[in-house]
Amino acid sequence: SAVISQKPSRDICQRGTSLTIQCQVDSQVTMMFWYRQQPGQSLTLIATANQGSEATYESGFVIDKFPISRPNLTFSTLTVSNMSPEDSSIYLCSCWDPEYNEQFFGPGTRLTVL
Amino acid sequence: RKEVEQDPGPFNVPEGATVAFNCTYSNSASQSFFWYRQDCRKEPKLLMSVYSSGNEDGRFTAQLNRASQYISLLIRDSKLSDSATYLCVVNGGNQFYFGTGTSLTVIP
Repeated sequence: SAVISQKPSRDICQRGTSLTIQCQVDSQVTMMFWYRQQPGQSLTLIATANQGSEATYESGFVIDKFPISRPNLTFSTLTVSNMSPEDSSIYLCSCWDPEYNEQFFGPGTRLTVL
Repeated sequence: RKEVEQDPGPFNVPEGATVAFNCTYSNSASQSFFWYRQDCRKEPKLLMSVYSSGNEDGRFTAQLNRASQYISLLIRDSKLSDSATYLCVVNGGNQFYFGTGTSLTVIP
């Protein structure tokens, strides 16, 4: 199994600022994903973080708003840019281990934008 | 149409009851199916994978019906600790699609 850590675990930010969330996996993984989960809602996929190339974004999410880095097979960052209160959510990093055919999640980053 | 649809509940059942959740998916080419459990303010964790032949893990039974494109989760002899949100997840290629989750509360 894969163990994922995220930081920060939570933050309160001012409107118009940006926050970068870090995701570290304890083993090399092929697929890494970033999700958003708003209170009482299910997970919404923001993008797939591709190692060595640009992330693949889902409909409704753009690189300018959510730039993603994936410099290697164990690490990724998601930046929430020019934040507004509507960005308040939990952001979850995830990886997929094809050997176990299981998706693992980090503990999430709880973001509040004032 | 959503890729995965679930009844959001909530389901409130007494301890010891049997409860079943269903989930439908739209892509007939979907390859893998899962039930995840998410506790309040925690990340989702895999409860069980769902196989075509059906599979059982203690009090939990998962079934897949490819013809009707639905999967189910049956929980027998509910415990208080089963209270959580249960997420149906469908994998097609490199994409994972999550249902909205079904909320279960087991009442003493």
